[in-house]
Formats: sequence, C-alpha cells, structure tokens
Amino acid sequence: EAGVAQSPRYKIIEKRQSVAFWCNPISGHATLYWYQQILGQGPKLLIQFQNNGVVDDSQLPKDRFSAERLKGVDSTLKIQPAKLEDSAVYLCASSLATGTSGRVNEQFFGPGTRLTVL
Amino acid sequence: SQKIEQNSEALNIQEGKTATLTCNYTNYSPAYLQWYRQDPGRGPVFLLLIRENEKEKRKERLKVTFDTTLKQSLFHITASQPADSATYLCALASDYKLSFGAGTTVTVRA
Repeated sequence: EAGVAQSPRYKIIEKRQSVAFWCNPISGHATLYWYQQILGQGPKLLIQFQNNGVVDDSQLPKDRFSAERLKGVDSTLKIQPAKLEDSAVYLCASSLATGTSGRVNEQFFGPGTRLTVL
Repeated sequence: SQKIEQNSEALNIQEGKTATLTCNYTNYSPAYLQWYRQDPGRGPVFLLLIRENEKEKRKERLKVTFDTTLKQSLFHITASQPADSATYLCALASDYKLSFGAGTTVTVRA
C-alpha cells in the first residue's frame, strides 16, 4: 500500500514570498491533516479535513495560511507571505474517518516538507 | 492552559535494558492516548493506542500504561536494541483531534 506522498521535500524562500505544499493521502482515507513541526517541538495541528470539509482550523494563521482539499483527495497548503518564524517541517497525515464515538484513528504521516525562510 | 510534558532530557541506555518514558498532561480529558516514533527526517509512525478505560497495553517489546487520575502515561521499551533509537511522541486525543508532546529522544548503546 502506498503511503502519504508530499512534495516538495525541501524549499528555501525569502521572507514575504509565497510557497505551496502538496499532499496525496492514502487511498480511502477520509481525514487529512496538516501539521507544523518546529525543530525540537511536537507536531502542531494546523487544519483537519474530513473529505473536503474543514473539521478544525483553529490553529491556522488565516491571515497568511490557506489550505484546500478539492474532491476530497489531494490537498495543498499555501503560505503567503512567509515570515521567518514559518521555518519548520510541514507534515501531512491521513487516517480513516474519525469515529462517531470520538475515536481518533491512527494517523499515517508523509515524510514532510522542510521549509526554510531567509 | 493545556500542557503535555514529556521527559525533557534525552534518554541514553545500554542495549538490553528497559527504557521508560513519561507523558504528563494538564487540562485535558483525553478519550485516547497514542504513542508515535519519529526518526530524523521522517514523519511520525504510529505505535500504540490506549483508551481511557484501559490501564495497560502491550505490543511485542512495547508496553504503555495510562493513569487518568495521575494524568500520566508511561511508555516502556523492554530488551532495548540500537534500532530503537529514535524520538518518541505521545499524543492526546480529544475533540476529534490529536495534540502532541515535544517528544523524548532515546539512544540505545550497543
């Protein structure tokens, strides 16, 4: 079974530039997540989709970050304009749909995109 | 405010010994707790899930305990091997999402 695919793997940009990341989840996984992981910290959830609807985006800096999941499959995360503090690894994960009992299923992570903002 | 705290110091142990990692939390009421392993340059990989009404879970050389009174989970790697060297993350599941701790880095010496 193919895992979660992400591209690019690395990106270096100047502050105030724009950048976009792409994610292709595991086939059949309804839930897709974008996390930001700053060096030395755990992943922080930015946005969670169930199919193509947003479940949670409470920690997404909406003045500069946007994400979409067209047709409930692939997803893109965009930063515009980037700041120095956006330097981090951006992880995409997917899982089977979250259960009605509140169960959060195991998540499958991609390799991440390492972003450096100069 | 909500907090998840894992061992702040890295853990260095001899091959064959047991590594014990702690995960303490405040102001959460997690329905589930998960443990992940992360190797450098890679995304986290799921290891174990334990429910709030379960005291202990085992998988091969791994054991997890969950004490909702103490608000703590312990993660044990028994008969450790150099291949177990990695960062281990605990994650609390509540409100249909996961919140991760910062992780504990384990190094197993041959």
